[in-house]
This record gives sequence, structure tokens and C-alpha cells, in this order.
Amino acid sequence: KNEVEQSPQNLTAQEGEFITINCSYSVGISALHWLQQHPGGGIVSLFMLSSGKKKHGRLIATINIQEKHSSLHITASHPRDSAVYICAVVAGNQFYFGTGTSLTVIP
Amino acid sequence: KAGVTQTPRYLIKTRGQQVTLSCSPISGHRSVSWYQQTPGQGLQFLFEYFSETQRNKGNFPGRFSGRQFSNSRSEMNVSTLELGDSALYLCASSILQGNNEQYFGPGTRLTVT
Repeated sequence: KNEVEQSPQNLTAQEGEFITINCSYSVGISALHWLQQHPGGGIVSLFMLSSGKKKHGRLIATINIQEKHSSLHITASHPRDSAVYICAVVAGNQFYFGTGTSLTVIP
Repeated sequence: KAGVTQTPRYLIKTRGQQVTLSCSPISGHRSVSWYQQTPGQGLQFLFEYFSETQRNKGNFPGRFSGRQFSNSRSEMNVSTLELGDSALYLCASSILQGNNEQYFGPGTRLTVT
């Protein structure tokens, strides 16, 4: 059983589209992270959330603690957004990771 | 500031051997965490070190160990390598222990033959 579930697993979008990636978790958490991994392996931390909503440029992350759900939105998607997006939760001082959403944005 | 660095970037080892990977955190960061990433299991947490002490540990066998030095640099050791240990090993540093924004290194790609 996975503590963290992401959907969809794969996503293809046209440039300019609005994108939503979902993350559901089953454990009590102290925080949730959204990570971006480009081909080649490098990982960048996009957001760390414990409540509410955060915005960074075209990226928006929200979390609903009661529903144990978070979403990552990308507005006006661009080919450079093509990457794997990973949801990770912190529970009991450990990280649990989703399997990732592979996003491809077509020009 | 320089980012997190990991050495070596690529490594090929034989079953039964041991390996040591190194991670240098961002200057001023005192916490280093290690992760394993495989196509089958995805990302998994190995352990976290803070102030030279292991603070948290994931569900990995005792063949996986680590340590942290007084300058916050960390090493990870895997003994008696198995084929299934082939993976990308990532380290991440943060200013403090526990739930903080993590800065990831580029990873070490280990292949066990």
C-alpha cells in the first residue's frame, strides 16, 4: 500500500494549457513537498506546504489537510515544464514519495 | 553559493563489493538526507543526518549505512552489493533537521553487475 498516490501518471498537454496534478495521502503529515525532476535526474524542490496555498510564478500548489489532498497547478504551460513532478509527504520524520507524474508539454 | 555536490557521479561495481558515496551540502546547511531512486520503487528515503548523528532512518537493511562529518559532509556506504542496489542515489541538504525545504544534489548513478 502506498502512503502517497498521484494522478495522473502521465500527462500530455499543448503549450498554453492549464495543468493540474493531484496527490492524495493516507497518513498524518507535518508537511507536503512538490518536487520537479528533469531528465538526467536533477530534482528541484518547488513547494513545501503545511496548509493553504502557495504561488511561484506560473505554479500554484494547494493543500487540504482535512481531505488529505494536494494539487499542483501549472498555468500557461510551456515545453520547458516537461518533467516528472513528484509529491512527497513528511510523516513521523520520514519522507514518503508518490510515483510521480510525467508531464510532456507539446509546442 | 555552490549547490549540493555528489561524488562520484557514476559508478560501476560488482556484486558483493562495497561502495562509498559522498555528499557535500550547501554551505551552512547542517542536515543531509539520502534517497534511493529506482524505476520499480521510485524514490525512497534512506536516512537523515544532522550534527553528525543519524536522526531518521527509512526501511533499508543494515547494509546501508552512513555518517556525517563535523563540516556537515556526509558519506553513504553500501556493503555486500546486490544487483537490486543499482539505482540513482540522491542526497539533499537543508538548513535544519526534519521538515525543511530540501536542496538536492545531482545524484550518483550506481550500477551493480
